[in-house]
Amino acid sequence: NAGVTQTPKFRVLKTGQSMTLLCAQDMNHEYMYWYRQDPGMGLRLIHYSVGEGTTAKGEVPDGYNVSRLKKQNFLLGLESAAPSQTSVYFCASRAVTILVTEAFFGQGTRLTVV
Amino acid sequence: GESVGLHLPTLSVQEGDNSIINCAYSNSASDYFIWYKQESGKGPQFIIDIRSNMDKRQGQRVTVLLNKTVKHLSLQIAATQPGDSAVYFCAETSNAGGTSYGKLTFGQGTILTVHP
Repeated sequence: NAGVTQTPKFRVLKTGQSMTLLCAQDMNHEYMYWYRQDPGMGLRLIHYSVGEGTTAKGEVPDGYNVSRLKKQNFLLGLESAAPSQTSVYFCASRAVTILVTEAFFGQGTRLTVV
Repeated sequence: GESVGLHLPTLSVQEGDNSIINCAYSNSASDYFIWYKQESGKGPQFIIDIRSNMDKRQGQRVTVLLNKTVKHLSLQIAATQPGDSAVYFCAETSNAGGTSYGKLTFGQGTILTVHP
């Protein structure tokens, strides 16, 4: 049981390049989230999904797109990377039950845009 | 928009002391709150949670208090140890429906440093 796995763990991009971050969870969770964390800041929600085929905007969605084609995967795309997108990205997933539950996090992807 | 607010304070305590970390939230519709601990280079890890129909919940060495009247929650750590040194975040969500259904937002965090 791997939990939440993020790929890749590190990446350096040039300004204008595109890339996709993959989040995979094996816990059959309905909800999935993408956050970014900058130095001295908390986790800011980029996009989230409450089920397969659905996505919603978070607090800082500009410059990012997401897709949830399969329940276990949540992809975060950067179409044209900018230095302001240098950050650590965290994915999380959460179960939906009668009782609300906590979110489980991946280990993060450190992205540098030069 | 809704937010959970911490102003990135730092808290330094001596080993063995009790620690109290505070969090103010702004979404009165929030019905579930979580405290997370984040160590350097790692993802956040669950500590304890509380639902809006409760005022207090206790775990092992940790207690969370919720005051819905003033939209405030706190995390109390008893007999703080050097291994407790980390950044602590509160998070909130609402499963009551509406446009923010399932949204999970975090505060900025408190840096806890425990001195031996």
